[in-house]
Amino acid sequence: EDKVVQSPLSLVVHEGDTVTLNCSYEVTNFRSLLWYKQEKKAPTFLFMLTSSGIEKKSGRLSSILDKKELFSILNITATQTGDSAIYLCAATSGTYKYIFGTGTRLKVLA
Amino acid sequence: NAGVTQTPKFRVLKTGQSMTLLCAQDMNHEYMYWYRQDPGMGLRLIHYSVGEGTTAKGEVPDGYNVSRLKKQNFLLGLESAAPSQTSVYFCASSYSPRGQGALTEQYFGPGTRLTVT
Repeated sequence: EDKVVQSPLSLVVHEGDTVTLNCSYEVTNFRSLLWYKQEKKAPTFLFMLTSSGIEKKSGRLSSILDKKELFSILNITATQTGDSAIYLCAATSGTYKYIFGTGTRLKVLA
Repeated sequence: NAGVTQTPKFRVLKTGQSMTLLCAQDMNHEYMYWYRQDPGMGLRLIHYSVGEGTTAKGEVPDGYNVSRLKKQNFLLGLESAAPSQTSVYFCASSYSPRGQGALTEQYFGPGTRLTVT
């Protein structure tokens, strides 16, 4: 059965800290790994990763995929209170399937 | 370009009542999905559709039915609501760029918060 596991489940840090969120997957016919940020509404897209070892960056956020070890990490540097959210990762399988993890709840304290 | 819209945004039902949630997308996406999200459970797939006129069961389909009569609309029905169906429901759409054999990211609607008493 396909599965995606995220860790930690929740995390509390102070502004300015750096955090690393983990996502491991066991998915047949794997195609890509996606990261989303969810505040009090719908998930918003952050990154899509398809190739191993190539880092994607957007401001203070970055992410990388390891297709050999079947995991991805999402790094957030110099965290701000606005980074407080649930971070979801999802693996795609085949041409229409997305498998989501349960998410990591991040709280950044001022 | 509205993206993905959902109606209604909120609803309270009594046990046994029925209702339909409407999802509409204006991006000409082939694939549409209904998820429910409960605390600590992430997004769980209820039903999905890979094209107009086709639907399939997801991970948690019991108690729900769907229809996709038009490409842009995906309806989720609850025939006889139960308290266990209290949740936030998200619709999403995506497509697979021709020749790439892979999916884009999903585009999500704003969600419907449903309470069944």
